[in-house]
Amino acid sequence: DAGVTQSPTHLIKTRGQQVTLRCSPKSGHDTVSWYQQALGQGPQFIFQYYEEEERQRGNFPDRFSGHQFPNYSSELNVNALLLGDSALYLCASSVLRGMVTDTQYFGPGTRLTVL
Amino acid sequence: QQQVKQSPQSLIVQKGGISIINCAYENTAFDYFPWYQQFPGKGPALLIAIRPDVSEKKEGRFTISFNKSAKQFSLHIMDSQPGDSATYFCAASFPGSWGKLQFGAGTQVVVTP
Repeated sequence: DAGVTQSPTHLIKTRGQQVTLRCSPKSGHDTVSWYQQALGQGPQFIFQYYEEEERQRGNFPDRFSGHQFPNYSSELNVNALLLGDSALYLCASSVLRGMVTDTQYFGPGTRLTVL
Repeated sequence: QQQVKQSPQSLIVQKGGISIINCAYENTAFDYFPWYQQFPGKGPALLIAIRPDVSEKKEGRFTISFNKSAKQFSLHIMDSQPGDSATYFCAASFPGSWGKLQFGAGTQVVVTP
């Protein structure tokens, strides 16, 4: 059983560019959450998708947007990249029960470097 | 405002010793407290989790102690092994938050042979 997969593994962009990161959830999971982890910090919640809609959002600007597809996979888009967007971007998948998600399983992350 | 505060920032323990990591939280609505282990270049992996209806949970060498009145919880790693060297994160979420996890800043644990 494949776990959560993310692509690409690493990415280098320049300021002002746009980036798209991809995530495939663990088999049987219907909910995808995205987190940003700066170096030496804990992950910070960006947003969560369920049934192709954004259900919860953290304290991130509108430059961060996402999408969930009918097969539950998800994309994270970041526009107008800033140096401060350099981080490890983590995708986590889970099963939603009511308004509570079960255990969240994290992917290996995408390391984004903005120059 | 960081709602989950974790200490210490780093920890060095000898093989066979006990590693203790502490977390304190502000929001009394939190009802789910997981601990994650992260190795370099990897995503966090769930280690053990607890809900406020119990004061302690043990899984193998890992134990969570929970003090609801003090709004604190801790992770104890018994008989620490070099393979336990990793960064550990506490986290918390509350009902209706769609599982949004709020993480502590992490503790880097080094187990020396």
